[in-house]
Amino acid sequence: DAGITQSPRHKVTETGTPVTLRCHQTENHRYMYWYRQDPGHGLRLIHYSYGVKDTDKGEVSDGYSVSRSKTEDFLLTLESATSSQTSVYFCAISGTGALGDTQYFGPGTRLTVL
Amino acid sequence: GQQVMQIPQYQHVQEGEDFTTYCNSSTTLSNIQWYKQRPGGHPVFLIQLVKSGEVKKQKRLTFQFGEAKKNSSLHITATQTTDVGTYFCAGYTGTASKLTFGTGTRLQVTL
Repeated sequence: DAGITQSPRHKVTETGTPVTLRCHQTENHRYMYWYRQDPGHGLRLIHYSYGVKDTDKGEVSDGYSVSRSKTEDFLLTLESATSSQTSVYFCAISGTGALGDTQYFGPGTRLTVL
Repeated sequence: GQQVMQIPQYQHVQEGEDFTTYCNSSTTLSNIQWYKQRPGGHPVFLIQLVKSGEVKKQKRLTFQFGEAKKNSSLHITATQTTDVGTYFCAGYTGTASKLTFGTGTRLQVTL
């Protein structure tokens, strides 16, 4: 498995509280992604990064922000968590982001918003 | 936006039976990838198809990319309990960097 870790692995929080999820990689890959996984929807892209301080939105970015101050770390922040953001969150990395590049996934974070 | 649907959403088979999942995109894909996610695990890359009509095999798994590059299929011959999991297709359109994942097919195999 690629060197990707996510923290925390599980979190329960209350509506309205801020939450930050961390993805850390040791592969020195340029591209990093945040997905959420929900039954019936597969994996949906939230935000991605193509370099330090370079980020872009995915298809479900509302309510989420990201930051990447170092190559190895990509943070996902829910400024004010809502119950609709209860989900499993996966971080992924790829080397070039080019067509055909493979993505490697972290172990996931299960977030519950009460 | 681009949509990638998979059918069926769920299938339960007995060990030894065959299994097929179908992936359909609303737009033409540059290439398609398949991933497998074991229960409680994370998606793991299986294979990539690039050419129109391409067929690739991995032991009991056969992957096909449609002629119009808008659909794909994964066929498993003689399923085993180790095949249990959710299978996702994912495709790039003209825009690089972002993969669009299908909705997934969850396979359950019983003895």
